[in-house]
Amino acid sequence: QQPVQSPQAVILREGEDAVINCSSSKALYSVHWYRQKHGEAPVFLMILLKGGEQKGHDKISASFNEKKQQSSLYLTASQLSYSGTYFCGTEGKGGYQKVTFGIGTKLQVIP
Amino acid sequence: GAVVSQHPSWVICKSGTSVKIECRSLDFQATTMFWYRQFPKQSLMLMATSNEGSKATYEQGVEKDKFLINHASLTLSTLTVTSAHPEDSSFYICSARFPSGPSTDTQYFGPGTRLTVL
Repeated sequence: QQPVQSPQAVILREGEDAVINCSSSKALYSVHWYRQKHGEAPVFLMILLKGGEQKGHDKISASFNEKKQQSSLYLTASQLSYSGTYFCGTEGKGGYQKVTFGIGTKLQVIP
Repeated sequence: GAVVSQHPSWVICKSGTSVKIECRSLDFQATTMFWYRQFPKQSLMLMATSNEGSKATYEQGVEKDKFLINHASLTLSTLTVTSAHPEDSSFYICSARFPSGPSTDTQYFGPGTRLTVL
């Protein structure tokens, strides 16, 4: 079942912060985050496996609330290069199952 | 990160012809590869899971006789769109499961192939 992402779209000015949420109706084994720029393939950002886990790279981080079956992606001090569509992908309990992607959140960072 | 390539990057063909798309993992062996289709402004829709040495597992609603998948080696999977029609026009993306990344479940995507059927 497809995870639900919110918001569907957001416009930020450079330097502003944003949060993208991803929620699932089923118990999760892992949550994956990807960013896709127009006309290109998705690029892996990070994967979260354990409930309560938080990860970050540069100024992009994510958390995984296993009990709530939710994950959030945090973009801090956004840069123009952050523009793109962000997808969360969820994998159900049991591992090695397919990853189902949300519909995506379109993020646009303007000067 | 791990590198996955696709060939060709784009293809334009006439209705009724068959098109083959290759997906290669360049610096690792991938026992499992995935094929996705993405329509404009939409999400990635999984078409099938390709396992080396065995038959692909197709998602509900995907015609296995139309979208032939072959995973002949640990670094190559191919998708053949047979008797293509205009409604098959789409962005086809493959991904490969990286066996020793941050977890055993990390997928790395190829650059995609844009298919246009006239």
